[in-house]
Amino acid sequence: GDSVTQMEGPVTLSEEAFLTINCTYTATGYPSLFWYVQYPGEGLQLLLKATKADDKGSNKGFEATYRKETTSFHLEKGSVQVSDSAVYFCARGSYNTDKLIFGTGTRLQVFP
Amino acid sequence: NAGVMQNPRHLVRRRGQEARLRCSPVKGHSHVYWYRQLPEEGLKFMVYLQKENIIDESGMPKERFSAEFPKEGPSILRIQQVVRGDSAAYFCASSPRQGKETQYFGPGTRLLVL
Repeated sequence: GDSVTQMEGPVTLSEEAFLTINCTYTATGYPSLFWYVQYPGEGLQLLLKATKADDKGSNKGFEATYRKETTSFHLEKGSVQVSDSAVYFCARGSYNTDKLIFGTGTRLQVFP
Repeated sequence: NAGVMQNPRHLVRRRGQEARLRCSPVKGHSHVYWYRQLPEEGLKFMVYLQKENIIDESGMPKERFSAEFPKEGPSILRIQQVVRGDSAAYFCASSPRQGKETQYFGPGTRLLVL
């Protein structure tokens, strides 16, 4: 069935380091792809999205490109900040319903 | 600029009691989704509703769980005879229409079953 796989955490970085969080999805149809961020004790906030192949979503310095050939949607940021510490979830739309399918989440910890 | 609202934010129940979780979608949104997040896990889809209709309940346990989204008022997720395994964060999301629409999430209700 439809699924999303993302790298396990935690990812621990120093401030201003480069960030990559890998995400791959099963290739049923052409789903929309999303990255959501969850800060401690809060709900999920949409970080960025892409709706078709080769689209690049970007927001707050984060970017992810919809790669159909590798079924990937890796999240990147050139220079992380302490305030980026959170759990990041990759998600895809499903083939024939509107539900979202989430990866297990990757915890990012950024130290000064 | 009210987003998705959920209440209560925290709910404590003893085994065998009922839990009622409420979700008010973004104004003008008629599609509501409920997800459950177990500790240290990702979110799992439970149910998708439009006004007065259940569209997809494939992720909801067949027993003890029910959901509704009446014509007036919030969406309700109801868990009867709660067990410890029901302890989780329950998130509601809404969107304005079907299709490849962004879902906007509420802050969640954290249910603890003693």
